[in-house]
Amino acid sequence: GIQVEQSPPDLILQEGANSTLRCNFSDSVNNLQWFHQNPWGQLINLFYIPSGTKQNGRLSATTVATERYSLLYISSSQTTDSGVYFCAVELDTNAGKSTFGDGTTLTVKP
Amino acid sequence: DTGVSQDPRHKITKRGQNVTFRCDPISEHNRLYWYRQTLGQGPEFLTYFQNEAQLEKSRLLSDRFSAERPKGSFSTLEIQRTEQGDSAMYLCASSLSGPVEKLFFGSGTQLSVL
Repeated sequence: GIQVEQSPPDLILQEGANSTLRCNFSDSVNNLQWFHQNPWGQLINLFYIPSGTKQNGRLSATTVATERYSLLYISSSQTTDSGVYFCAVELDTNAGKSTFGDGTTLTVKP
Repeated sequence: DTGVSQDPRHKITKRGQNVTFRCDPISEHNRLYWYRQTLGQGPEFLTYFQNEAQLEKSRLLSDRFSAERPKGSFSTLEIQRTEQGDSAMYLCASSLSGPVEKLFFGSGTQLSVL
C-alpha cells in the first residue's frame, strides 16, 4: 500500500515562531488533506489540497503532486496551535479511504 | 450542521465482553467511515459506507468486528469478545461524495479493555 511519511516527528517552538511540516507519499494521489488533532483528540480538517497552494489565516499548505510531497506552513505560532498534525492521502477518489501518516507533534511554548 | 457525533465518549470493558459504538454523521453526508487510532499513530482505516452499503473493509477488521448503517444515516460498530489489543480510539468520519471530498471527524470513542 501507499506509504506516508511525516517530518519532523516532534517540533517545539516558542510562541511567534514559524514552522514547516512535511508530508511525503510514495505514490500518485487524488486527494490529500491536512488535519490538526487537538489535545482532546478532535481531528479538525485544515486543508483539502491534492495540488497547488491554499492559505487560511496563519496557515498555508502547498502540495507538489508530481514530486509527491506536501508542506504545511504555520506562521506566528500560538499556544493553541499545539497538537498533532496529520496528512492523509487517498489514491482513488472513489476508494473511500485515506491513509494517514504518523503525524508531527507540535508544542508551542508561551 | 451539528458535526459528527459519537457515543459513548469513553468505554471501559472487561476482556470477552461485547461493546457497541454509535456514530451520527453530518446529516447530508452520504459516506461514513470508521477508523482506529492507537497512541502515537495516525488513524487507520477500518471500513466505510456509501449510504447503507458497506463498500470496503480493511484486513484490520477481524471477524469479531461488525459495522452497520441500516438506513444510511447513523452507524454502529460492534466488537464481540473484546481483547486487550482492541483498546484504542475509534473514530467516525463522514463526507459528501464529489469532486472535493473533505473528511469530518467525530470526537471518537476511547475503548479500554481490561
